Amino acid sequence: AQKVTQAQTEISVVEKEDVTLDCVYETRDTTYYLFWYKQPPSGELVFLIRRNSFDEQNEISGRYSWNFQKSTSSFNFTITASQVVDSAVYFCALSEAFTHAGKSTFGDGTTLTVKP
Amino acid sequence: DAGVTQSPTHLIKTRGQQVTLRCSPKSGHDTVSWYQQALGQGPQFIFQYYEEEERQRGNFPDRFSGHQFPNYSSELNVNALLLGDSALYLCASSLNGQGSVGEQFFGPGTRLTVL
Repeated sequence: AQKVTQAQTEISVVEKEDVTLDCVYETRDTTYYLFWYKQPPSGELVFLIRRNSFDEQNEISGRYSWNFQKSTSSFNFTITASQVVDSAVYFCALSEAFTHAGKSTFGDGTTLTVKP
Repeated sequence: DAGVTQSPTHLIKTRGQQVTLRCSPKSGHDTVSWYQQALGQGPQFIFQYYEEEERQRGNFPDRFSGHQFPNYSSELNVNALLLGDSALYLCASSLNGQGSVGEQFFGPGTRLTVL
């Protein structure tokens, strides 16, 4: 069975601080996909990144960066110079390969609050 | 280009009643997945529809059923509602990638309250 653990339930930072959201996953599959989503108060999940299990390269997109380490089954997400607009619930998710992203297993999310 | 739309936005029902939620996928998408998100938790996969058939199903009882129409829109039906069915129901659409895992686009959700 697949499992995603986001140990940090809530994080609060002051604007311009860097913050890292942790994600640890469990799967028996050798091929799988990992995702991060942002859920603002409006409720709509916003896709941030998809990474397949064969690609351990770190990725940077503006202020966002992701660190995938297969050896520790972790896929952590860092926001650099946080802004108030980054306040939201962030979810890490895991999906089997060769299926559509539909059957994804989500963690319980980390609520990030960025204070001015 | 319209994204994923869901209706209604909010719904209040009483125990034992039945409910139907609706979803229209993003233009060009042919696969619809439904998720249940209880307060303070991550979304849980209910089922996925492709080519008008249920292709995958999560750990949900038969009270949860669905349908996909030829225009790819979808319905989620829940019978004999329980208090525990109160949640945000999210619809996500994607494009069948012949084995590849595509990006999902989520709708704003339907907030169901069961009294």
